Amino acid sequence: DTAVSQTPKYLVTQMGNDKSIKCEQNLGHDTMYWYKQDSKKFLKIMFSYNNKELIINETVPNRFSPKSPDKAHLNLHINSLELGDSAVYFCASSQGGDWTREQFFGPGTRLTVL
Amino acid sequence: AQKVTQAQTEISVVEKEDVTLDCVYETRDTTYYLFWYKQPPSGELVFLIRRNSFDEQNEISGRYSWNFQKSTSSFNFTITASQVVDSAVYFCALSPSSNTGKLIFGQGTTLQVKP
Repeated sequence: DTAVSQTPKYLVTQMGNDKSIKCEQNLGHDTMYWYKQDSKKFLKIMFSYNNKELIINETVPNRFSPKSPDKAHLNLHINSLELGDSAVYFCASSQGGDWTREQFFGPGTRLTVL
Repeated sequence: AQKVTQAQTEISVVEKEDVTLDCVYETRDTTYYLFWYKQPPSGELVFLIRRNSFDEQNEISGRYSWNFQKSTSSFNFTITASQVVDSAVYFCALSPSSNTGKLIFGQGTTLQVKP
């Protein structure tokens, strides 16, 4: 039983393309997040949704657009991909919109832009 | 400023040695939570522990222990009798009350345990 799942696990694409990463959680959590991990392993939050409402939107190019069709899903769409977008993207979820709770992470999606 | 510093970029030990991973944090909030996560070579992030700012009791879980000291703004993690399976990147993270759920991660410490 996968708690937080992401698809695809690997994504290799050309510059300029548009791609999406899907995330689903079966933990019944209310809040979902997207993080980016760069080549130096640094993790930084990108977005957070609570009950389908955007609550955190860090300084991320507007080529990145999250979409939450329901509270169990948070997808990430990226337009006009650039070389610098190459990274591992992690989805996470937590109980409630509560900053005190631990976040549970998906397995990550390694995006390579050529 | 709100920040987490893990000054040790890489640590290498031989199996059965004890190892301590350092974590120093900065926040002006009086209420906050601290976390440790493990990222093994397979890449997933695994939650290890959560500690709130009002609870300075040390925690032990098997070979793992955590030492939280508000006076030095540190939340260090010790692995006793390390094993090869402990090889991973370990992240310390801060969730201040003013940050509405944004986890602030340290740079991570890569631990290599050699047989």
